[in-house]
Amino acid sequence: DGGITQSPKYLFRKEGQNVTLSCEQNLNHDAMYWYRQDPGQGLRLIYYSQIVNDFQKGDIAEGYSVSREKKESFPLTVTSAQKNPTAFYLCASSLLLAGLYEQYFGPGTRLTVT
Amino acid sequence: GENVEQHPSTLSVQEGDSAVIKCTYSDSASNYFPWYKQELGKGPQLIIDIRSNVGEKKDQRIAVTLNKTAKHFSLHITETQPEDSAVYFCAAKGGGFKTIFGAGTRLFVKA
Repeated sequence: DGGITQSPKYLFRKEGQNVTLSCEQNLNHDAMYWYRQDPGQGLRLIYYSQIVNDFQKGDIAEGYSVSREKKESFPLTVTSAQKNPTAFYLCASSLLLAGLYEQYFGPGTRLTVT
Repeated sequence: GENVEQHPSTLSVQEGDSAVIKCTYSDSASNYFPWYKQELGKGPQLIIDIRSNVGEKKDQRIAVTLNKTAKHFSLHITETQPEDSAVYFCAAKGGGFKTIFGAGTRLFVKA
């Protein structure tokens, strides 16, 4: 059963702590993405990766970091530098970065920072 | 910069009626237009997409139309059912890597 998994579904942290969100895919996709979703807004791109050991900043990368050590995995770290980290985080993947390929989304992680 | 505008932000219809959601994009190089459905607490799922070499595509009760000259594309859902209630996102992708998403339309189908 191919797809994207994100864990955990809900995450609670205290302000000032770093937190890492997991994203794994078994679709054999080269490209992976992280989006942030706030109520009433569209999806905003945080980081993307087109291949292992390569990743690029998206539109709202400040306060976030990623790694891509394996094709299947693209974890996102929300650092204490992110001013407003409470949001719904979505991971996605596509066959390739360029070209007319759909993105497949994971179920999301809702992060609450207090 | 590139953007996609989506209207309306909220749409309420009676079960069995049709629903239409409209999007406008700014990047004339856009050539791929997917539509996603997002249910509460879940990730978006692709429901239909259209490429720039066609003007219309249909899949059962769902259809999408594209007007490249006007840079408009629309989602049409006929014979709506309560399970169609969700948030719908349009998106546009150009020659590069980036997919630009609209802000979403919350559709309510009243039984």
